[in-house]
Amino acid sequence: DTEVTQTPKHLVMGMTNKKSLKCEQHMGHRAMYWYKQKAKKPPELMFVYSYEKLSINESVPSRFSPECPNSSLLNLHLHALQPEDSALYLCASSQGDIRGDTEAFFGQGTRLTVV
Amino acid sequence: GQQVMQIPQYQHVQEGEDFTTYCNSSTTLSNIQWYKQRPGGHPVFLIQLVKSGEVKKQKRLTFQFGEAKKNSSLHITATQTTDVGTYFCAGRGHDYKLSFGAGTTVTVRA
Repeated sequence: DTEVTQTPKHLVMGMTNKKSLKCEQHMGHRAMYWYKQKAKKPPELMFVYSYEKLSINESVPSRFSPECPNSSLLNLHLHALQPEDSALYLCASSQGDIRGDTEAFFGQGTRLTVV
Repeated sequence: GQQVMQIPQYQHVQEGEDFTTYCNSSTTLSNIQWYKQRPGGHPVFLIQLVKSGEVKKQKRLTFQFGEAKKNSSLHITATQTTDVGTYFCAGRGHDYKLSFGAGTTVTVRA
């Protein structure tokens, strides 16, 4: 299994809603990432977990809250988002920790629209 | 942190022609990776370059890493319609973060 699975694929939420994005991988990867990608832009790193511990937070607003319940799962909790947060949210994983020189496997993403 | 610049932003290619996309970093990189993202898709890993001056080939794709480990290029020969998409370089700095270039979006004229 070389897949990173993200759910849901599409999400529309109001600015007062609370929702969660989910990511799962069964490749035994120990680093997991959240990226945000706006249209026609490159992915922007948000968070990195290494061995289930938060290693990097790229000064992301607190309305985004990551969680890593175990080595296979990564969640992104959303609360009180703004319309400008609408984007494709990509989860990725890689073998070893973040210092490893290995490729990142990306999920298909959750296309989020905030109304 | 490091910045990775990538040019050109858009590349319109006649089928059968060659093209090159270039990446430059403001700082020395630990390694550089290349990804391809098809329209509506997600980034898919193509290759990683680690050594100074490294050259790797995948069929019609040739990847190079500069001697100073601050620049890289992807050259595609005999472009096909299947090459359509956005090609991103992603440089890993010594802070371990992977920084993506802006991408080169390739369209192909049949």
